[in-house]
Amino acid sequence: QSVLTQPPSVSGAPGQTVTISCTGSSSNVGAPYDVHWYQQVPGTAPKLLISRDSNRPSGVPDRFSGSKSGTSASLAITGLRAEDEADYYCQSYDSSLTTYVFGPGTRVTVL
Amino acid sequence: EVRLVESGGGLVQSGGSLRLSCAASGFTFSSFALTWVRQAPGMGLEWVAIIGTGGGIYYAESVKGRFTISRDNSKNTVFLQLDSLRAEDTAVFYCARWLGSGGYYAGTYYFDSWGQGTLVTVSS
Repeated sequence: QSVLTQPPSVSGAPGQTVTISCTGSSSNVGAPYDVHWYQQVPGTAPKLLISRDSNRPSGVPDRFSGSKSGTSASLAITGLRAEDEADYYCQSYDSSLTTYVFGPGTRVTVL
Repeated sequence: EVRLVESGGGLVQSGGSLRLSCAASGFTFSSFALTWVRQAPGMGLEWVAIIGTGGGIYYAESVKGRFTISRDNSKNTVFLQLDSLRAEDTAVFYCARWLGSGGYYAGTYYFDSWGQGTLVTVSS
């Protein structure tokens, strides 16, 4: 059971915007420790999508954006495309557990 | 281009051992911390072990005392020795580069580049 909570799944039609939440507590997201996001297309390795709450690494389309407020962080995907179908994981640090933690993941489906 | 290539996975009986390797290229290996992250079939990601540039090492509680991480900067390779394996250790093991600052307890670190993974299957 992760200390970070994500919805199991979200879906949207091509072109729409979907948002994935990552909810934690005062010992992780709200501390505030940085939140990072990873994309994992089924059958492949994870890929860093957003670092330090809202920074996009080189090569990541600007359709992906991250934000954080209080004990929650969010990943938004605008202009949804078929290739965005994947699992998305948030990651942070928990000072109570003194460990780096991942959320359980959210499956994005493009309708 | 950063490249991480894992090897050494396979099928092993419960109680057995395996040694995973991760060969790195495309960056100054000795200047970066390296990690192992695993993913059980159909499940999420779990970090397993971290080794820093100065040799600082941290393990997840679930593997402490059974897994050992090490690095050979002369060969640009990080290793994960898996001992006393259990069925619940069955997973794809990924090697990843670890970025951040301030040391482990600063909580700033994230996994910026990943290998393709190697599958470890533990039969009971």
